[in-house]
Amino acid sequence: QKEVEQNSGPLSVPEGAIASLNCTYSDRGSQSFFWYRQYSGKSPELIMFIYSNGDKEDGRFTAQLNKASQYVSLLIRDSQPSDSATYLCAVSEGGGSEKLVFGKGTKLTVNP
Amino acid sequence: SAVISQKPSRDICQRGTSLTIQCQVDSQVTMMFWYRQQPGQSLTLIATANQGSEATYESGFVIDKFPISRPNLTFSTLTVSNMSPEDSSIYLCSVETRVGTDTQYFGPGTRLTVL
Repeated sequence: QKEVEQNSGPLSVPEGAIASLNCTYSDRGSQSFFWYRQYSGKSPELIMFIYSNGDKEDGRFTAQLNKASQYVSLLIRDSQPSDSATYLCAVSEGGGSEKLVFGKGTKLTVNP
Repeated sequence: SAVISQKPSRDICQRGTSLTIQCQVDSQVTMMFWYRQQPGQSLTLIATANQGSEATYESGFVIDKFPISRPNLTFSTLTVSNMSPEDSSIYLCSVETRVGTDTQYFGPGTRLTVL
């Protein structure tokens, strides 16, 4: 069974710090990797996607992918209280499937 | 991305009844999906809604319980049939706007409570 694992948290960081969120996956055939942010009572919002090994930066967010280690991470620099949310890691099933497998999410709290 | 709407946004239903949830997209999309998110849990895929053919259901979900329609490339419905309190959940539709990218965008969700 294809699995995506995340630390459930909660992860608590002070305002201005770097928040580091981690995710591992079981399917070596996975090709696409996503980070969604979900505020309480809201639907998931796509914030980052990455397809290739290495780093991808978008504003304060950096996604890191290591396919050999089956590991993907999200760094949030200069964390703000508005970043407080649950962050979901999602991984494509691979093999031509359009489906995603989601982790259980990490709850992040940024303290002012 | 795409603008996705869902109706109703929330509902409270009695045990044994059925509810149909609508998902509308502002542009034509090939792939549409229906998910369930139970309280405090992550997303579980119910089915892929296929235009012009029967939906493809995931293990643990059956058509009799969750019939899905997809009459065109911008609209889909999910019905939750013969509801029980265990069906209380948030139901989300998602779309893939660019084929082959696996990139999905979610609608606002429907919060269902079954008494």
